[in-house]
Amino acid sequence: SQQGEEDPQALSIQEGENATMNCSYKTSINNLQWYRQNSGRGLVHLILIRSNEREKHSGRLRVTLDTSKKSSSLLITASRAADTASYFCATLSSGSARQLTFGSGTQLTVLP
Amino acid sequence: ETGVTQSPTHLIKTRGQQVTLRCSSQSGHNTVSWYQQALGQGPQFIFQYYREEENGRGNFPPRFSGLQFPNYSSELNVNALELDDSALYLCASSTPGLHTTKETQYFGPGTRLLVL
Repeated sequence: SQQGEEDPQALSIQEGENATMNCSYKTSINNLQWYRQNSGRGLVHLILIRSNEREKHSGRLRVTLDTSKKSSSLLITASRAADTASYFCATLSSGSARQLTFGSGTQLTVLP
Repeated sequence: ETGVTQSPTHLIKTRGQQVTLRCSSQSGHNTVSWYQQALGQGPQFIFQYYREEENGRGNFPPRFSGLQFPNYSSELNVNALELDDSALYLCASSTPGLHTTKETQYFGPGTRLLVL
């Protein structure tokens, strides 16, 4: 079953604008990760935020984590047409099988 | 590029047949996880192999089975294929360590399976 939900399901913006995607999850986590997927191909790891961190930056990406609300957000600044893709959040479980549980994804379209 | 490879890239099978998908993990990684991604959905965990043993399983029936080899590559086998098995199958490699808060998985490009 899906761990959580991304919001919005689809987002369309103009090149140069910022894109914000939100993710909610249900159980306690070790970390939360964001992945990008182009055209139904493999997942590309973007950024990881640990359960004891609140904010993390990587280039044009900014991720926040609020464990009290079980939610995270991904901000992509100064978007480019090449950022067009599906974005998924995933939480890493504790326990011997460290499985990733994914949300349903946000389809981002950046218009030139 | 993650260094994780999968074969074949595409596959067409008919209902009732059996299929084997293959995955080579990134150098130095001893754990392989398999995920099924239906169209328009997020990936769902099938199972994980660590040092040649199944190390956890998601909500998938026994006709989904796997193997891991001494070189840490892995196979996913699906018997008695059903139409709903049509999906993108992703494998991911990792090396679980002491610091689980930093742990991540690296995905291959996937195998797209179509069951007719």
